[in-house]
Amino acid sequence: DQQVKQNSPSLSVQEGRISILNCDYTNSMFDYFLWYKKYPAEGPTFLISISSIKDKNEDGRFTVFLNKSAKHLSLHIVPSQPGDSAVYFCAASVDYNQGGKLIFGQGTELSVKP
Amino acid sequence: DTGVSQDPRHKITKRGQNVTFRCDPISEHNRLYWYRQTLGQGPEFLTYFQNEAQLEKSRLLSDRFSAERPKGSFSTLEIQRTEQGDSAMYLCASDRDGETQYFGPGTRLLVL
Repeated sequence: DQQVKQNSPSLSVQEGRISILNCDYTNSMFDYFLWYKKYPAEGPTFLISISSIKDKNEDGRFTVFLNKSAKHLSLHIVPSQPGDSAVYFCAASVDYNQGGKLIFGQGTELSVKP
Repeated sequence: DTGVSQDPRHKITKRGQNVTFRCDPISEHNRLYWYRQTLGQGPEFLTYFQNEAQLEKSRLLSDRFSAERPKGSFSTLEIQRTEQGDSAMYLCASDRDGETQYFGPGTRLLVL
């Protein structure tokens, strides 16, 4: 039972353009969502998060949008840079403050071409 | 703040051997998590500790797996009688109540 799904295994964009990574979930009890970036042979690096009481959160070039009715979140990267090339994971948690076990999607590999 | 550290970074073992991994969380983080990641998948939750108490274990954690956090600081994950299906990246993460989970670099296990 895949509660968090990233249906695009890969995405290729041109440097300077927008990258949009998508994530769908099935569990309406999720109250906190996070995006992590992962380079090969390294652990995931935290990027940005959003609580279920919000629908948008921005941090520099990264913006996360949450659509609770559609059970969908997306990560926008503007402008995309070659250094953004990595695998991106969305993750979700139920009752995050009480013990934030994360449920991860399968990941989307982003390639930003110069 | 030196980040989450894991040791070893790589481990190759023969089927049937026991292996032990160590995780040192960020200091003052009271919660510590273990995840496993296989190729093409996202990390999967294995278990987590709040201080020294192990509060949740995934059904993925068979009886060959045991984790400890004896003094509420570092943690160890032991796999007994390893099988080829145990080959994966083992990730440790830590956080403080309600804050962001930060991951270590992982231990890559290969069982031959």
